[in-house]
Amino acid sequence: EPEVTQTPSHQVTQMGQEVILRCVPISNHLYFYWYRQILGQKVEFLVSFYNNEISEKSEIFDDQFSVERPDGSNFTLKIRSTKLEDSAMYFCASTRQGGTEAFFGQGTRLTVV
Amino acid sequence: GENVEQHPSTLSVQEGDSAVIKCTYSDSASNYFPWYKQELGKRPQLIIDIRSNVGEKKDQRIAVTLNKTAKHFSLHITETQPEDSAVYFCARSRYGNKLVFGAGTILRVKS
Repeated sequence: EPEVTQTPSHQVTQMGQEVILRCVPISNHLYFYWYRQILGQKVEFLVSFYNNEISEKSEIFDDQFSVERPDGSNFTLKIRSTKLEDSAMYFCASTRQGGTEAFFGQGTRLTVV
Repeated sequence: GENVEQHPSTLSVQEGDSAVIKCTYSDSASNYFPWYKQELGKRPQLIIDIRSNVGEKKDQRIAVTLNKTAKHFSLHITETQPEDSAVYFCARSRYGNKLVFGAGTILRVKS
């Protein structure tokens, strides 16, 4: 069964450093998402991406965040200058055209020290 | 409002009993309501979903009910087992767009 894959599974970074989280969505899916989950809290929407552009973003997704689809398979989330409060699990998800079910990757645990 | 309110925040049941988790929303344009189970350190796993054109859906021991007029939906788990212990999240979306999640319910099934 096809699945969304994310790398790395765990990233530790120094405060102020840039990080790039990588995702490979399911190949025939057209809608891509990043969500964040701080430990012990709910899953929060960050950004949605369709047709090579951001379709919606939340208040969390400020100027420090960016997304990119550099080629036909990868979907990346970049945090330019990480803060301690960026420590969380980041999930990538994708849905197919006309679909409703979101398929989640296994997540990247980001720890900012 | 965009949020989804979920209750209770924790729920302890005896093995074999039923568990019910409830969510309310205010966005009347929402038409897709999934439920996710999340085990510690893992991704949210879709367990059942319902669309706004139906009022109830069942899959073995799990059922979901939707009252669109009152804007609430519920997850029912019957004959609970220890492996049902996890965090459960409700969510809503419009036409498969972004998911808005509830705060989660920690379910503990005591054997």
